[in-house]
Formats: sequence, structure tokens, C-alpha cells
Amino acid sequence: EDQVTQSPEALRLQEGESSSLNCSYTVSGLRGLFWYRQDPGKGPEFLFTLYSAGEEKEKERLKATLTKKESFLHITAPKPEDSATYLCAVQPPSTINTGTASKLTFGTGTRLQVTL
Amino acid sequence: DTEVTQTPKHLVMGMTNKKSLKCEQHMGHRAMYWYKQKAKKPPELMFVYSYEKLSINESVPSRFSPECPNSSLLNLHLHALQPEDSALYLCASSQAGLAGGPDNEQFFGPGTRLTVL
Repeated sequence: EDQVTQSPEALRLQEGESSSLNCSYTVSGLRGLFWYRQDPGKGPEFLFTLYSAGEEKEKERLKATLTKKESFLHITAPKPEDSATYLCAVQPPSTINTGTASKLTFGTGTRLQVTL
Repeated sequence: DTEVTQTPKHLVMGMTNKKSLKCEQHMGHRAMYWYKQKAKKPPELMFVYSYEKLSINESVPSRFSPECPNSSLLNLHLHALQPEDSALYLCASSQAGLAGGPDNEQFFGPGTRLTVL
């Protein structure tokens, strides 16, 4: 069974204190790994898609990387507005057999709080 | 434009009521999804439509009935719900790409906060 584990569950950082969030997965033949940001009571906001080991993507203070077993979301010099829950999701190859829609398996998320 | 809209934002209903949630996207996506999300939990897939046809039903109780009138619209009809159905209901859409291809990221709407009394 496909599994996605995110750590830590919660992280408290001071403004400017860089850190990394981890997403480890047990999926054979990963088709895609997605990072989302979710604010309380709102829908997840798409951040990145990673397809192959070694791939990296950046957006402002965020940088996502992918290996064969895990992905990291690096946050450089975070600000209070980066406070949110960060969700990782994987798309296994089994979705090929369901047609053209993608079925994601989500991790439980990391709740990030950045304080002044 | 990567916007998915959902109405209403909030809904309170009794266990005998019938109500509907609506979702709309104008990104030309041909796959649309309904998710249920409880507090401090990840989104839980309910239904998937691909090219207006139901392709995945994750064993959802029949008191939830999805409908896809056209490629831009997705409805979720609710009837005889239970208090434990109270949750944030999320709609999402994605391009229906070729198997193994890119562009399968899902874009989510803001959600409907449902409370069942």
C-alpha cells in the first residue's frame, strides 16, 4: 500500500530561521510528487510538482527537492506569512489504469508557525 | 487563471434537508474531484470525474450524490446527512493528460464549510 509520511507534524520557527520539511514515501514507480500550502479553513494552494529524483524547484523562499525515497521543502529566511500547513501528495503509477484523472495520496501535513 | 470557485462558502443543514454544493472551473480541465477534509487531517478523496464521466467513487455513502452537468461544473447533492459528515468539502480540477504525462497537478477551490445539525 502506498504510504506518505510527513515530518515533523508541527514546526515553530522564528522569522529568518531556515529549516526543512520532510516527505517520505513508499510508492513504486512514482509518477509525480506535489507540494501544497493550506491556510486554516481554505483549500490547498498548489506549490510544486516534482517528477524525477534530482529535480529541484524554487518559488520565493521555498525550494522543493526530490530523491528516490523522499522530498524536502526547504524554507529560507521564513516570514510570519509563511505560516500554514504544508501538504505533500504522491501520484502512483496505478492512476494510469483509472484513465486520465490523477488520484493523489496525501501525507498528514506539517503545521508551520513562524513568529517574529 | 488557475481559479476554482465553490458555492456556498458555508452551509448549515439539518439531517432531513436536501442541499447541493457547486463547483466551477474555466481552465479547460477535464478531470474534477470532490474531497472531504476534517480538521487537522489531509483531504480525503470522494469522487473523480474524467471527461464528465464518474471514474472513481471511493465507497462514499449514497447520501452523497455527485453530478457533472458539463466540463466546467461539478455538483455534490446532499441528502439525509449525519452530524459526522460535517467537514470542509473541497473541489479540485486537473488537466486530463495522457498516461505518464505531466500537468496532473490538481487545483483546489476554497471549499464549503458544511455543518450538519
